[in-house]
Amino acid sequence: GQNIDQPTEMTATEGAIVQINCTYQTSGFNGLFWYQQHAGEAPTFLSYNVLDGLEEKGRFSSFLSRSKGYSYLLLKELQMKDSASYLCAVMDSNYQLIWGAGTKLIIKP
Amino acid sequence: GAVVSQHPSRVICKSGTSVKIECRSLDFQATTMFWYRQFPKQSLMLMATSNEGSKATYEQGVEKDKFLINHASLTLSTLTVTSAHPEDSSFYICSARAVGGKKETQYFGPGTRLLVL
Repeated sequence: GQNIDQPTEMTATEGAIVQINCTYQTSGFNGLFWYQQHAGEAPTFLSYNVLDGLEEKGRFSSFLSRSKGYSYLLLKELQMKDSASYLCAVMDSNYQLIWGAGTKLIIKP
Repeated sequence: GAVVSQHPSRVICKSGTSVKIECRSLDFQATTMFWYRQFPKQSLMLMATSNEGSKATYEQGVEKDKFLINHASLTLSTLTVTSAHPEDSSFYICSARAVGGKKETQYFGPGTRLLVL
């Protein structure tokens, strides 16, 4: 079956760094996505990795290891507005998105 | 660019009534639109994939007679929840893939929150 695993909840301090991990098992692979979702809103795109390695975009970076079925999202210089759920999603061989349940990130002052 | 809208943003209806949700690509044409449902604190679940001018493809466990999807044009897809019941209360999100666009790119609408009393 297809499976995406990520922690349910994480807590971090404003100004700090946090890493959210995601492991996956899917039928085929056409890339891994990270989305941010605030309560009551639709997900917004953060990053896309299809090759191994680190993609950096401002305060956010995303890493992929296809051989390990593993990715992480790294958030630096955390701000209170970063409090949200972070969804890991993998695009399978049919170009359909398989979603993780999301990691709720709580930022404390 | 690449904006997707949904209407209404939220709707409250009585049990047994039907509700129509529209998904529009505002500044691009969409060959394919996807309908997702998300229950509180859960993942997005793909309900169906609709291609313009053809029947929608429903995921396993999704009743096609209950969730009617019409993709009549390259900029509009509608989801009608027929004879809605309280268990259909959920957050419904559509996304669209642009004509000629990369298969891995989907643009998401803002979602529609449905509450069935």
